[in-house]
Amino acid sequence: GAVVSQHPSWVICKSGTSVKIECRSLDFQATTMFWYRQFPKQSLMLMATSNEGSKATYEQGVEKDKFLINHASLTLSTLTVTSAHPEDSSFYICSASTPGQGYQETQYFGPGTRLLVL
Amino acid sequence: GNSVTQMEGPVTLSEEAFLTINCTYTATGYPSLFWYVQYPGEGLQLLLKATKADDKGSNKGFEATYRKETTSFHLEKGSVQVSDSAVYFCALSFGGYGQNFVFGPGTRLSVLP
Repeated sequence: GAVVSQHPSWVICKSGTSVKIECRSLDFQATTMFWYRQFPKQSLMLMATSNEGSKATYEQGVEKDKFLINHASLTLSTLTVTSAHPEDSSFYICSASTPGQGYQETQYFGPGTRLLVL
Repeated sequence: GNSVTQMEGPVTLSEEAFLTINCTYTATGYPSLFWYVQYPGEGLQLLLKATKADDKGSNKGFEATYRKETTSFHLEKGSVQVSDSAVYFCALSFGGYGQNFVFGPGTRLSVLP
């Protein structure tokens, strides 16, 4: 249980185009989803927290107009990289949290989407 | 603020060697602690977790004990395999639905046959 999928797994696009990445919780409902970015050989950097039915909360330094997040349902969140440039090339990972026992929850991560902007 | 520190890698071991990856944290309060593993080209997978002091998380031969007195959550395995080669991330999270995680920088493990 608690499987999170991402689509596509990798994408190559031209500079100036927009790319949409989907994150789905397959067997549970996720009120909250998180989007991370990971540079080569580095840790994950939280970009934004996405709550179903409301606007995403972006971390400091992340451009909300550049990285559009939509969390339209309890099982789907999308990240759109608008007008992508080579510096946006990265590994993007989503996660979804589900209420755990008591007050603690666990995040389940998607397999990641590798974006290369030419 | 809250932070997680891990031993620097890469760590290179021979198959069947004993593994320890150190993790310490700084936090205001008592977070839950996690170890995630990332295999090449993949996302993160939950390896184990502990939600309160003295809890021991274990999975696939790996284990870690939540030590409040030393604010540590060291990962150990008695006999590593080549298939354990991956990057290991220590992380903390506070209770409360939707709380984001704080990750350590990751430790790359290479196990040689």
